[in-house]
Amino acid sequence: SQQGEEDPQALSIQEGENATMNCSYKTSINNLQWYRQNSGRGLVHLILIRSNEREKHSGRLRVTLDTSKKSSSLLITASRAADTASYFCAPVGGYQKVTFGIGTKLQVIP
Amino acid sequence: GAVVSQHPSRVICKSGTSVKIECRSLDFQATTMFWYRQFPKQSLMLMATSNEGSKATYEQGVEKDKFLINHASLTLSTLTVTSAHPEDSSFYICSARLTGGFATEAFFGQGTRLTVV
Repeated sequence: SQQGEEDPQALSIQEGENATMNCSYKTSINNLQWYRQNSGRGLVHLILIRSNEREKHSGRLRVTLDTSKKSSSLLITASRAADTASYFCAPVGGYQKVTFGIGTKLQVIP
Repeated sequence: GAVVSQHPSRVICKSGTSVKIECRSLDFQATTMFWYRQFPKQSLMLMATSNEGSKATYEQGVEKDKFLINHASLTLSTLTVTSAHPEDSSFYICSARLTGGFATEAFFGQGTRLTVV
């Protein structure tokens, strides 16, 4: 299966600071997606980066992908209290099933 | 962008009854859909892979007779929780993948919160 493993498991920062979380995976991918989940809610798609891309931006989000290291990172700049959530990466490749790690639980303190 | 819609978003049912959850790909065709379950404060656990026109593939430990999956068309997969019990209370999420092409992207529904009383 294609499972992403997020690191760190928990992250607590002050509002205005940047938050960086990492994702590692084991097999080849077509693309990698990042999701946010607020407590008790569904998954919100944040950004998708394709295997031939190295960096992608969307608003305050910056995602990098290093296929040689099989890793990705999500950077949230100028964090806000509303960014408090769990973040999951989803490596997607071929017809393999997608499984999730335990995510990174981000807490942004006002 | 591609949209996956789940219905209902919340459902409460009595023990012993069955509940059906729908997962629709609104603007694309999905040969494969995935069903996940998430218990409170835990990660999403893959339950089964649903393939259009064929039987679903269940993960180890998931009872296929209890969690019936039907993928009758390229835009709809259903998960039926049969004879529900309180321990089946959970958050269920589906994912659909684009059909064809090299980059098969996966998109997720917003989830269904099932409470069995």
